[in-house]
Parts: sequence; C-alpha cells; structure tokens
Amino acid sequence: AQTVTQSQPEMSVQEAETVTLSCTYDTSESDYYLFWYKQPPSRQMILVIRQEAYKQQNATENRFSVNFQKAAKSFSLKISDSQLGDAAMYFCAYRSVRTSGSRLTFGEGTQLTVNP
Amino acid sequence: DSGVTQTPKHLITATGQRVTLRCSPRSGDLSVYWYQQSLDQGLQFLIQYYNGEERAKGNILERFSAQQFPDLHSELNLSSLELGDSALYFCASSVVPGVQETQYFGPGTRLLVL
Repeated sequence: AQTVTQSQPEMSVQEAETVTLSCTYDTSESDYYLFWYKQPPSRQMILVIRQEAYKQQNATENRFSVNFQKAAKSFSLKISDSQLGDAAMYFCAYRSVRTSGSRLTFGEGTQLTVNP
Repeated sequence: DSGVTQTPKHLITATGQRVTLRCSPRSGDLSVYWYQQSLDQGLQFLIQYYNGEERAKGNILERFSAQQFPDLHSELNLSSLELGDSALYFCASSVVPGVQETQYFGPGTRLLVL
C-alpha cells in the first residue's frame, strides 16, 4: 500500500517570503499522480497543484511550484511571495493511475502560518 | 466554489443514532468519493462510486454504507453512531476515474456525536 509522509507538522513564513513544504511517499508503482491540497480555516479542500509522475517537468501554478524527485520519492511544494491568504493546512496526496485505485492517500498535513 | 454540494453542513446527534449525509457531484461528474477527516485518523478514503456502481472500498466501517443514485447524487449512511464517528465527512467528485481525473471536494459535513 502507498503511504505519504509530511514530516513538518507546522511551518511559518514571513509575508512576501518563500517557503517550501516537504512530502515523501512510498510506492511500488512507476506511474501515479501527486497533489497538493490546501485546507484553510473554512475546512474546504482546495486543489493547489498536481504532478504526473511520467512528466519530468515540475508543475507550476502561479506562485506555487513543486520539486518532484521521482527517484527519491519526494514531492515538495514551494510557495513564493507568500500572502496572508496562503495560511492554511496543506496536504500532500498520492493517487494511482489504475482506474480501480483512484482513491487519494493523504499525508498528515503541514499547518502553514504566514506572519505579516 | 468547487461545484460539489453537501448537506447538511453541520449535524449533531447522539450515540446509537443513524444519520444520512448527502452529496451532489459537479455537473457532468460520474464518480463520487467519500472521505473522513478526524483528529486521530487524519484524512481517510471511505468508498467510491462510479455511475451508480461501487468501485472501491477503503477504511469504511460495517456500520457505514453508501449508494449513488441514478441522478448521480450520493448518500452516506452512518448507523449505530459512536463518539469516535465525530468527524468532517467530505464528498469529492470527478468526471471519470482515470488518467486525467482530478477530484474536487465539497465543503464537507461536520458530524458531532454526543
């Protein structure tokens, strides 16, 4: 079974600075998808970014980018020019490409605080 | 707004009772997923339906059941409730389970069992 680990329960960053959230995973599959979801105080789960394992190029969405290291099974999220609205719990998630295995497996989450 | 709706937003009930949580997927989405978020277990996958059929099961208790109706909305039934069932229950939907699928989450139903 796949597992996802987020080793940083809490992180903090100054407004306008850059922060990197870590995620590692364990899988025996060669093809899969990785996601970062954001959960603000409203508790809504919001998709931030996704990465296909077969793509070597790291995904980018505006101020959010990932560093995907397939061999190391590492998938970190970089937030540039941090804003107060980025404060939230961030979850890393794994999904198999098999149609019978579409469930998301989540890490424990990292609580991000943005200081003004 | 993800386009996925869940009702009710909050539910307070007593141990031993039964509740039903409802989810309407995004327009055009055929697959529905249920997840449970609790303090001690984190975010866990419960069950998936695709076009009315059960597709995958996760850590879903026997006291829990779900179904997806012909109009594609889904219901999660929780019975013989225990204190430990208190959690945030999410529904997510996607077009089809497959290569390009991304799951979009509803706002959740917060269940408190007293």
